[in-house]
Amino acid sequence: QSALTQPRSVSGSPGQSVTISCTGTSSDVGGYKYVSWYQQHPGKAPKLMIYDVSKRPSGVPDRFSGSKSGNTASLTISGLQAEDEADYYCCSYAGSYAYVFGTGTKVTVL
Amino acid sequence: EVQLVESGGGLVQPGGSLRLSCSASGFTFSNYAMHWVRQAPGKGLEYVSAMSSNGGSTYHADSVKGRFTISRDNSKNMLYLQMSSLRDEDTAVYYCVRESCSGGDCYLHFDYWGKGTLVTVSS
Repeated sequence: QSALTQPRSVSGSPGQSVTISCTGTSSDVGGYKYVSWYQQHPGKAPKLMIYDVSKRPSGVPDRFSGSKSGNTASLTISGLQAEDEADYYCCSYAGSYAYVFGTGTKVTVL
Repeated sequence: EVQLVESGGGLVQPGGSLRLSCSASGFTFSNYAMHWVRQAPGKGLEYVSAMSSNGGSTYHADSVKGRFTISRDNSKNMLYLQMSSLRDEDTAVYYCVRESCSGGDCYLHFDYWGKGTLVTVSS
């Protein structure tokens, strides 16, 4: 399984929106509705932000949203806040217990 | 409170072996599929291994297949990763990860992560 492709970095000012893309293939992102997104602050463990493409776990602010079209999933952060500065990883189920993560995107709040 | 605590990491020479352990608490361990995910220093997340709740099904990424073995002891609430023939590229923080499950069904995403244990493969 090759890693899903994410932009290396995105940035935005407080209050703005940023979108992170996650491109895979029909064997992973395009083939399943099981795309999840994880936030990781430096030196910390990843935290689940979005699952099943667009669902938010309890406690995750509604300014985080997810979507998918074809082989590409996206995470949008609306109303960017300082604490959103972190690395973000997408992850897709790829069948037969296999999962594949994205290459990771660093979000910078200007 | 759900807790996943990894242990067993350390410095090992290339070609050596190491066994990682993950102690789980705060939930009914035997009801959950469990996974190992690793992260090389300064790099992204890499999926390593999975084991179903009853231990009947396993998966290992191609990068570790034949060298790593995942196992669990539901009576002790423990998850393990036996690593052998270690290579420089296995150097990483290894996370123990719980899959979201409920009522016998699992939902193909990861809801709790441990803090990780560092494995360094170097001569």
